[in-house]
Amino acid sequence: QVQLQASGPGLVKPSQTLSLTCTVSGGSISSGVYYWSWIRQPAGKGLEWIGRVSPSGSTNYNPSLKGRVSISIDTSKNQFSLTLNSVTAADAATYFCARDGGTYFEWFDPWGQGTLVTVSS
Amino acid sequence: EIVLTQSPGTLSLSPGDSATLSCRASQSVTSTYLVWYQQKPGQAPRLLMDGASSRATGIPDRFSGSGSGTDFTLTISRLEPEDFAVYYCQKYGGSPLYTFGQGTKLEIK
Repeated sequence: QVQLQASGPGLVKPSQTLSLTCTVSGGSISSGVYYWSWIRQPAGKGLEWIGRVSPSGSTNYNPSLKGRVSISIDTSKNQFSLTLNSVTAADAATYFCARDGGTYFEWFDPWGQGTLVTVSS
Repeated sequence: EIVLTQSPGTLSLSPGDSATLSCRASQSVTSTYLVWYQQKPGQAPRLLMDGASSRATGIPDRFSGSGSGTDFTLTISRLEPEDFAVYYCQKYGGSPLYTFGQGTKLEIK
């Protein structure tokens, strides 16, 4: 079955750029109706949807991130990536990647295991 | 923006009890677009229920969902030890496209 694995630096300095990659296995990232999303969770807090990318590269973002976010897809590598600019302490969280139901379904399933990002100088 | 408010924040029950978790939306949500997840410590959330009342693959029938409009409920009957976790509701649609409730922690009494 489809599995997702997020990876990237665990420590980012304030004002710098956070970059994470999610590798999809067990299925093609470009097949079917699914999109691919990033979701984050600060320690001890709730979930926040960041944004998603379609197999063709079209994107939707959470307006709360005010233009700091970019999500891209690399179908040749079966990966999608997150870039978040000008990070602050508020961006420290566990970042999850997940398969998104696209235009047909309204859920996230499955999820990757999450990668913890700390923001500190 | 549609805000989802979950209650109670924490629910303390014993194995064998039944749990009733609430998710209230600030505006009407199409029931098709209301989803529930379960999250255990150190794990990613797991899809429980979509369309407000349809169990995801592998979810036991002691989990049930109901509701419409602005009020949705997740009911867990005959609580098992593995059911103690945090539960989130989520809606699809509008801006932002997806939002989550703040979660209900179901803990062992």
